[in-house]
Amino acid sequence: DTEVTQTPKHLVMGMTNKKSLKCEQHMGHRAMYWYKQKAKKPPELMFVYSYEKLSINESVPSRFSPECPNSSLLNLHLHALQPEDSALYLCASSDTGNYGYTFGSGTRLTVV
Amino acid sequence: DQQVKQNSPSLSVQEGRISILNCDYTNSMFDYFLWYKKYPAEGPTFLISISSIKDKNEDGRFTVFLNKSAKHLSLHIVPSQPGDSAVYFCAALSNTDKLIFGTGTRLQVFP
Repeated sequence: DTEVTQTPKHLVMGMTNKKSLKCEQHMGHRAMYWYKQKAKKPPELMFVYSYEKLSINESVPSRFSPECPNSSLLNLHLHALQPEDSALYLCASSDTGNYGYTFGSGTRLTVV
Repeated sequence: DQQVKQNSPSLSVQEGRISILNCDYTNSMFDYFLWYKKYPAEGPTFLISISSIKDKNEDGRFTVFLNKSAKHLSLHIVPSQPGDSAVYFCAALSNTDKLIFGTGTRLQVFP
């Protein structure tokens, strides 16, 4: 299995909703990432988990809450989002000593 | 502060010809560079990479050149094919595990 799987592929949520994005990889990669991509912009790093511990938080607002239950799973919990948070959210993973990142297909999030 | 820049937002190339995508960076601490291809509503797909200790890496139709003194890298695709039409991002990596993406170049290969 050489893929990063993200669910759901599409999500529409209201500003008062609570939802979660899920990411899964079975490549034994030790690092997992959340990126946010707005239209016609490059992906921007949000969070990095290394060996299941949060190692980088790029000053992301607290309405985004990451969680790494185990080495294969990464969640992003969403609460009280704003319409400007609408974007493609990408999960990625990488292995120690291997600079290749594997990206998931992303979750297209729309906040209404 | 955009540390990785792709100054050409778009590029149009005829099928069979060479596509050259350019990328400039400002941080001399970057030690590894990658190129990704991205279709709309999909995640980036890794294409090719180069370590800062090399100046060229080749993989099939794709070759990446690195000029450290100029802080410049380029991706050459030859021959270009219509299926190569996508947005291409260069990305740079430092020892902090942060992958920094460039602004992207939309490549269109026409018959």
